[in-house]
Amino acid sequence: DTEVTQTPKHLVMGMTNKKSLKCEQHMGHRAMYWYKQKAKKPPELMFVYSYEKLSINESVPSRFSPECPNSSLLNLHLHALQPEDSALYLCASSQGSGGTDTQYFGPGTRLTVL
Amino acid sequence: DQQVKQNSPSLSVQEGRISILNCDYTNSMFDYFLWYKKYPAEGPTFLISISSIKDKNEDGRFTVFLNKSAKHLSLHIVPSQPGDSAVYFCAATGDPLALNFGKGTSLLVTP
Repeated sequence: DTEVTQTPKHLVMGMTNKKSLKCEQHMGHRAMYWYKQKAKKPPELMFVYSYEKLSINESVPSRFSPECPNSSLLNLHLHALQPEDSALYLCASSQGSGGTDTQYFGPGTRLTVL
Repeated sequence: DQQVKQNSPSLSVQEGRISILNCDYTNSMFDYFLWYKKYPAEGPTFLISISSIKDKNEDGRFTVFLNKSAKHLSLHIVPSQPGDSAVYFCAATGDPLALNFGKGTSLLVTP
């Protein structure tokens, strides 16, 4: 079972809204990731949680706030987003944080900011 | 700075023939390489990977070849099927951990 689930599938929000994206995996993976993907571009890494600790922050704007309540869950809190933040947000997980750990992706959340 | 490059944005192949997707990388620290398949508005699906200690890995119709001296890898799909039509991303990782993706190659397999 290599399933990573993400909710919601689609989200439309205004620039003053606060919303959260959720990601869950039950594979016992200890590293989880958030990626952002714009149309016709490759996914770009936003955050990495390894053993429930944020280990990489790719200088993402503070209007994106990750939270890892436990090793199976990873949330991305959104506040005061801009229209250019509209994208597909992908969650991934891997067994560990080693260089040869395969990352498995969820289906993504399609976010539109009005 | 694109460290993983897929220079062919698109590829069209007839059903039953071989599809060859190419990928080049610049960072010699990369030691693990992966191919993902992606449909529109969906997350990437892991296909196959190869460690830098190998030069070939095979899984069913999919084979990945790695040429470390040339910093080049390729994905062979044989025989190609219409259901293989998707965007294929090459990715590489090493130290620090993070997946570095190429820009993708859109494969179209025609009946």
